[in-house]
Amino acid sequence: AQSVTQPDIHITVSEGASLELRCNYSYGATPYLFWYVQSPGQGLQLLLKYFSGDTLVQGIKGFEAEFKRSQSSFNLRKPSVHWSDAAEYFCAVGARNTDKLIFGTGTRLQVFP
Amino acid sequence: DAGVTQSPTHLIKTRGQHVTLRCSPISGHKSVSWYQQVLGQGPQFIFQYYEKEERGRGNFPDRFSARQFPNYSSELNVNALLLGDSALYLCASSSMNNSPLHFGNGTRLTVT
Repeated sequence: AQSVTQPDIHITVSEGASLELRCNYSYGATPYLFWYVQSPGQGLQLLLKYFSGDTLVQGIKGFEAEFKRSQSSFNLRKPSVHWSDAAEYFCAVGARNTDKLIFGTGTRLQVFP
Repeated sequence: DAGVTQSPTHLIKTRGQHVTLRCSPISGHKSVSWYQQVLGQGPQFIFQYYEKEERGRGNFPDRFSARQFPNYSSELNVNALLLGDSALYLCASSSMNNSPLHFGNGTRLTVT
């Protein structure tokens, strides 16, 4: 079955601390992987994507993610969190030539000053 | 450039009624997809339309239907509304060719 698991429902960090959000996927075909961020009442904004090539991908707002095929993971990282990073983060998996994405249930990030 | 625009932003309907949600994609994007996001969950794929043809359908009942117009805008229709249809409905567009999805801010539907 195709699925995305985000094991952490809620994470709290202090401003300036490092961050890692976990994502594991199960997908039959070659996966295309995405991280999106959603602020309250807003749509989803793409942070970064992985299609192929270098397994460490850089995104916007200082985020990066590493694809590990052996672990079926695509964890999101940021070295120093800012208060404005507080939001809901979604990992998603898709395939070539389709806009059908399978999303995880999300991780809510709270940032303390 | 304008992003993906959706209307209305909020909607309250009664059980059994019908609703139509509208979406305008980013200029140049020919693919439109619809997602349902129930509170506390990730978005779930409903439909994808490309060049006015259905390209994919998620696991939703036949009460859900959609179409795409020659200008690539799209409508999502839901008949015989149930309380469980209350959700944020997101529209996304892309230029296909493995380009990423761009999402609108959604329509918040409340069914009472």
